[in-house]
Amino acid sequence: EAAVTQSPRNKVAVTGGKVTLSCNQTNNHNNMYWYRQDTGHGLRLIHYSYGAGSTEKGDIPDGYKASRPSQENFSLILELATPSQTSVYFCASGDYRGYSGNTLYFGEGSRLIVV
Amino acid sequence: GDSVTQKQGQVTLSEDDFLFINCTYSTTTYPTLLWYVQYLGQGPQLLLKVTTANNKGISRGFEATYDKGTTSFHLQKASVQESDSAVYFCALDRYGSSGNKLIFGIGTLLSVKP
Repeated sequence: EAAVTQSPRNKVAVTGGKVTLSCNQTNNHNNMYWYRQDTGHGLRLIHYSYGAGSTEKGDIPDGYKASRPSQENFSLILELATPSQTSVYFCASGDYRGYSGNTLYFGEGSRLIVV
Repeated sequence: GDSVTQKQGQVTLSEDDFLFINCTYSTTTYPTLLWYVQYLGQGPQLLLKVTTANNKGISRGFEATYDKGTTSFHLQKASVQESDSAVYFCALDRYGSSGNKLIFGIGTLLSVKP
């Protein structure tokens, strides 16, 4: 069974503080992604990675950094958290399948509140 | 650039009603079109996918059809159940890159009354 686990599941942070969201996958997938989900915006891509040591900017990368130290782990880092980053964050893994498309396997989400 | 438009933010139905959710897309590449479903408190999961090769996908009683002429793909189900209550996202996956990036619509919240 494909598995993507996120931690923490819930986090309250103060404005200006540093937040690290962690993600671990046991699917042995090359690609990993961080999305945030907000009402009226759906899921928006923040950062993604093609493999260990690589990170790429997604559609809304400002204010976020990412780190992929290994095949299994992908972290999202908010160096200076702001209230606008209050959201639910989802990590996902997937493999390239050409015309068959890329099925993403999502974690259960990390709810972040910045006060 | 590539985009996906999903206009229906919320749909409320009764059990055994017909479900139809529409989604339109814009891309210059060969698309794979997908529907994801998100149940309360969970992450999204793949419901079905449609490619330019097959034009139609079927899963768990849901059917999605792709229309290249109108650049649309819609999700339908003949008879919804209360257990189908969830958020449904359409998504566009673009062929041609070594690592795919999905673009999601805003999601449609389906509430099915018993």
